[in-house]
Formats: sequence, C-alpha cells, structure tokens
Amino acid sequence: DTAVSQTPKYLVTQMGNDKSIKCEQNLGHDTMYWYKQDSKKFLKIMFSYNNKELIINETVPNRFSPKSPDKAHLNLHINSLELGDSAVYFCASSHADRSSYEQYFGPGTRLTVT
Amino acid sequence: GQQVMQIPQYQHVQEGEDFTTYCNSSTTLSNIQWYKQRPGGHPVFLIQLVKSGEVKKQKRLTFQFGEAKKNSSLHITATQTTDVGTYFCAGGGNKLVFGAGTILRVKS
Repeated sequence: DTAVSQTPKYLVTQMGNDKSIKCEQNLGHDTMYWYKQDSKKFLKIMFSYNNKELIINETVPNRFSPKSPDKAHLNLHINSLELGDSAVYFCASSHADRSSYEQYFGPGTRLTVT
Repeated sequence: GQQVMQIPQYQHVQEGEDFTTYCNSSTTLSNIQWYKQRPGGHPVFLIQLVKSGEVKKQKRLTFQFGEAKKNSSLHITATQTTDVGTYFCAGGGNKLVFGAGTILRVKS
C-alpha cells in the first residue's frame, strides 16, 4: 500500500564506492523527484523527471546520475562516493510537473559514507 | 532565481504556548504549500494556499498567504508534544522551492 517507496532505507559505505538507491511510486503520478536533506534539515532538490524525461537538473556533481526506466520508477546512482554525500535522500512524486501539485515523499534513504 | 526564506530556524516552546513560522519569497508566488516532517520521518503535505490574503485553518493550525503573495505564515495555537518536527514552506512558481524549515521542539 506504500505510495512512494525507497530502497534501501539505510546505506553505509566507504568512500570511493558506487551505490544506487531505488524509488517506486504506485500513485500513477507523472513526475518524480530526488531531494537531498543535510544534517541541518535543508531540503535541496537534485533532479526532477516528468514521464521519464529529465526536467530539472540542479547543480549537483556529475557523479550523481538519475535514471527513470518508466514513470513509476526513478533511481539514483552515485559514483565515487565522498564524505560530503552523507545525507538523507528523499524520493518524491507529484501528479504533474506543476508547482500547484502536492508532493508525496518516500521514507528516505540515510546514506553514510565513511 | 526564486528563493524562499523561512524563519526562525529553531523554536523551543513550552507545551501550551503558541508557535509561528514565517516564509518570505523574493518573487510573487503562484501558490504556497506547507509540509511537516516528524523526527526521523519524511515531509508530509499539510495544505496549499493559492489566493491572495487566503487564510485556512486545520484544528489548531492557521495558515496565511500574504496579500502580495510573497509571504506566508503558519501559526500553531497551544502547542502539544505531537507538534514537534520540522515545518517547511514551499513556494510555487516555475517550480516548487522549499524554505529551510523551522524545527519545533515542545517541552512538556
């Protein structure tokens, strides 16, 4: 019944490794997002996809690469992990690519890079 | 680009006291949304305001959208321990831009 799900919930890895986070939504939404939340709770948008097409690509290192195999899934792959990548990553979805639609967030993935 | 400033960053209140968080935008907003994130949880949508000067209430929570559609506030009357968390505003324009959030702690 989970509307927006993410896996894994926790991810502990070493610097230099490559890791992926998966996100799925069963709401039938057209738009999906990735956010990064740092230790100060600041929510920073990273990417947005609408119907599998990239529409927002904020200034993030190109070590981060999103992939949307279909409009219900948006995965995030991170290469060469760095200490500063430690954060909680939230996936979210909305009905459409318009700011007037509420966003539904997943439970988050807490990434710790050691 | 569009920016949404939110204050205060933190607020500690005694249970039963009121609480207010404020959002200000550098540009006119088409809409504003409010979200609540419980400790260890994820942001959850609370409400959306669209009209100039709009006021909406949800039990002890009162949301306002300024006349110029550049500012908004969330007021909680008589806080309870269940109100703890981080409250985010998010301003709508070309995209939804989140404020930095206000972390609310309630002492019982």
